[in-house]
Parts: sequence; structure tokens; C-alpha cells
Amino acid sequence: QVQLQQWGAGLLKPSETLSLTCAVYGGSFSGYLWGWIRQPPGKGLEWIGEINHSGGTFYNPSLKSRVTISLDTSKTQFSLKLNSVTAADTAVYYCGRGQGHVGRWGQGTLVTVSS
Amino acid sequence: EIVLTQSPGTLSLSPGERATLSCRASQSVGSNYLAWYQQKPGQAPRLLIYAASSRATGIPDRFSGSWSGTDFTLTISRLEPEDFAVYYCQQYDSLRTFGQGTKLEIK
Repeated sequence: QVQLQQWGAGLLKPSETLSLTCAVYGGSFSGYLWGWIRQPPGKGLEWIGEINHSGGTFYNPSLKSRVTISLDTSKTQFSLKLNSVTAADTAVYYCGRGQGHVGRWGQGTLVTVSS
Repeated sequence: EIVLTQSPGTLSLSPGERATLSCRASQSVGSNYLAWYQQKPGQAPRLLIYAASSRATGIPDRFSGSWSGTDFTLTISRLEPEDFAVYYCQQYDSLRTFGQGTKLEIK
């Protein structure tokens, strides 16, 4: 059964780059979309973007100028970079696997942006 | 962008009762590409329903999804204590967007 394990820096200063990685255990990249979703404290879910097994990407238009999602097939990992962060980017970030809907989720990483 | 509006914001019910949660889309959702998730405090969301009415693996049959036009409904036939949580709908027809959530609380 596939498991997603994510990690990355939890405290950033404004203008820095958020960087998170999600490792996929027990499965391959084929046939699925691999994405990132975030949730500000006490608020709802926001879709950030996705990548398919061929490296094609889809991003939330509101974040597109700052987001890069990439794939490392040799390590079965995928990554999120969000540059020029502000306090508004403070959230729990989740990685996920799906086919539009998200059937498998990582454990979540709280990223706090504060000076 | 397809906007999803969930109602009510909070639903107060007792165990054993029937829960009806609504998700209205601002425009047609192609192929009924709509999912429902359950989220408990401190946990990642869990997929309940996809394609508007298909239950995800391992989801009890007291959870069901239906639709009429741009109105989607999640029904929990008889509430169990573990069902009290926040529920989100999500469309995946045109990129992806989530509704703002409905909190199901114990009355």
C-alpha cells in the first residue's frame, strides 16, 4: 500500500523560498497525479498544483508565478518550491496522490513564515 | 474558475441522525468530477467520495453522494460518533478547487 512521507523546513523568513519534498513508498509514479495542497491555520484547503508522471505540471493560477513542482523518478520523490514567501503562506502543506481527487495524503508539514 | 459553495457552515446533529451536506458549483462540473473529503483535527483529509457518487476504498456505505445539475450532496445515513468532523467538496474538472467546508458537530 502506497505511503507518502514529506519533509522540509518549517520556519522561513519573508522573501525566502519554501522547499518541501514528498517520498513515495510502495508505488510508482505511473498513472497518477502528484500534487500539493495547503491549509492555513483554522482555514480551508487550497490546491497548489500537480505534476504527472511525464513531468507535465498544472498550477493554481493565483500561485503560478511563484510555484515549481518537480519530479525525481530515480528516487520516487516529488518536490514543491514556493518563492518569495510572506506571512500569508503560513500553512500546513500536504503532498498527495490522486487522479484529480486525492486518495493518498502525506502527513502534512507546518510551514511558518515570520520575521 | 469553478467556485464551490458549501452549506450549511455548521451542522449540529446527534448520533443516529441523518446528515445532508450541500455543495453548489458556480458552473457545470464536467463528468461529475466532484469529490468529498472528511477531515478531523490534526489529521490529513480522507477521501470519501469521488466522481460525485463513488465511494472510495474502505468507506462505509452509510456515506453516499448524489447530484442534480450543479448541486452536489453528501449524505450520512446514520451518524456514528466518529463522523463528527469537517467535510470538504472538491471539483477536479477544471484545475481543482475546494469548497470552504462544513463542520458537522455533535448536538
